[in-house]
Amino acid sequence: EVQLVESGGVVVQPGGSLRLSCAASGFTFDDYTMHWVRQAPGKGLEWVSLISWDGGSTYYADSVKGRFTISRDNSKNSLYLQMNSLRTEDTALYYCAKGSRLLLLDYFDYWGQGTLVTVSS
Amino acid sequence: EIVMTQSPATLSVSPGERATLSCRASQSVSSNLAWYQQKPGQAPRLLIYGASTRATGIPARFSGSGSGTEFTLTISSLQSEDFAVYYCQQYNNWPTFGGGTKVEIK
Repeated sequence: EVQLVESGGVVVQPGGSLRLSCAASGFTFDDYTMHWVRQAPGKGLEWVSLISWDGGSTYYADSVKGRFTISRDNSKNSLYLQMNSLRTEDTALYYCAKGSRLLLLDYFDYWGQGTLVTVSS
Repeated sequence: EIVMTQSPATLSVSPGERATLSCRASQSVSSNLAWYQQKPGQAPRLLIYGASTRATGIPARFSGSGSGTEFTLTISSLQSEDFAVYYCQQYNNWPTFGGGTKVEIK
């Protein structure tokens, strides 16, 4: 059974930093592109970032480019999101999502339950 | 960025009735379109990919159609567990989602 378990969400002040983690199990982690998708309270879904199977390619939404860094550790079946210079508009539930294939541009066949990041003074 | 527009924002339907949800792309996404269902307090669940292929375990009452810029998700006979928010997502370019359609009980 595929499982994605996010952690690391907390309340942080504007300008602060945070690192989210996602522990993956139930599939061959390094066979797939992985993504972060977020959802502000009461709002829709927004793709944030992706990382290729080997970590060699990373891409970001314009809203987070230059502030967030995605990474992965295939030896630990783990995905990360380093979030710097946080803004109030980054407040959201952050989901780890598995791409369905090796392709970078893809749909998401499994999602974690999310971890809540609140940026507030 | 490809903008995805869903309509209507809210759809009121009686159990057993048919629901038709629309999704329009600002430019062609070919058949690179997925649909997700999200219930309150839950993560999204993949329903349809490739515009018309049901994901594993998705009941046959869910069907998707369309290509290019116009797409439709049809739920043939609404069950109580189908009342939720539905999102479309294109993956022809960097992923973008529609704003969602809430299917509520009439």
